[in-house]
Amino acid sequence: GQNIDQPTEMTATEGAIVQINCTYQTSGFNGLFWYQQHAGEAPTFLSYNVLDGLEEKGRFSSFLSRSKGYSYLLLKELQMKDSASYLCAVMGDSWGKFQFGAGTQVVVTP
Amino acid sequence: DTEVTQTPKHLVMGMTNKKSLKCEQHMGHRAMYWYKQKAKKPPELMFVYSYEKLSINESVPSRFSPECPNSSLLNLHLHALQPEDSALYLCASSLGPAGVGGELFFGEGSRLTVL
Repeated sequence: GQNIDQPTEMTATEGAIVQINCTYQTSGFNGLFWYQQHAGEAPTFLSYNVLDGLEEKGRFSSFLSRSKGYSYLLLKELQMKDSASYLCAVMGDSWGKFQFGAGTQVVVTP
Repeated sequence: DTEVTQTPKHLVMGMTNKKSLKCEQHMGHRAMYWYKQKAKKPPELMFVYSYEKLSINESVPSRFSPECPNSSLLNLHLHALQPEDSALYLCASSLGPAGVGGELFFGEGSRLTVL
């Protein structure tokens, strides 16, 4: 079967770093995506990994290890506006068929 | 233009009504999607259109009927819905199979309430 796991909630202080892990078991692999979703809003794309390694985009970085079925999203210099749900999504062997994890609610405290 | 526009933003309908949700994008994307999202849950894939042809139907009940009139438009026709169908319906688009990456661009969603 297909499974994507990520922690339910994480809390961190403004200015700190938080790492959100995602493990997956899917039929085939055509990329892993991270999205941010604020309450009541649509998800917005953050990053994409298809090859092993680290992708850096400003304060956000994402890492992928295909052999381990593992990814993480690193949020640096946390700001209050980073409080949101972070969704890990994998495209398996069917093009266009994204499977989303349940999301990790990140709470940033002053 | 990097937007996916959905209308209406809110819709309340009875179980015998027929209504439609509309989605439009002008980014030249060739894949369009319907997702359903319940509160505090991840989006669930319903349908995927690739080059205006239905490529994925995730065993969605026939009371939901998608339509893709052209490469920029995607509709979801609703008929005889149940209260449990109340949810946020998200439209998304992406470059398509020939494009690199494939990230989804989501609209703001249509919040549907079935009475």
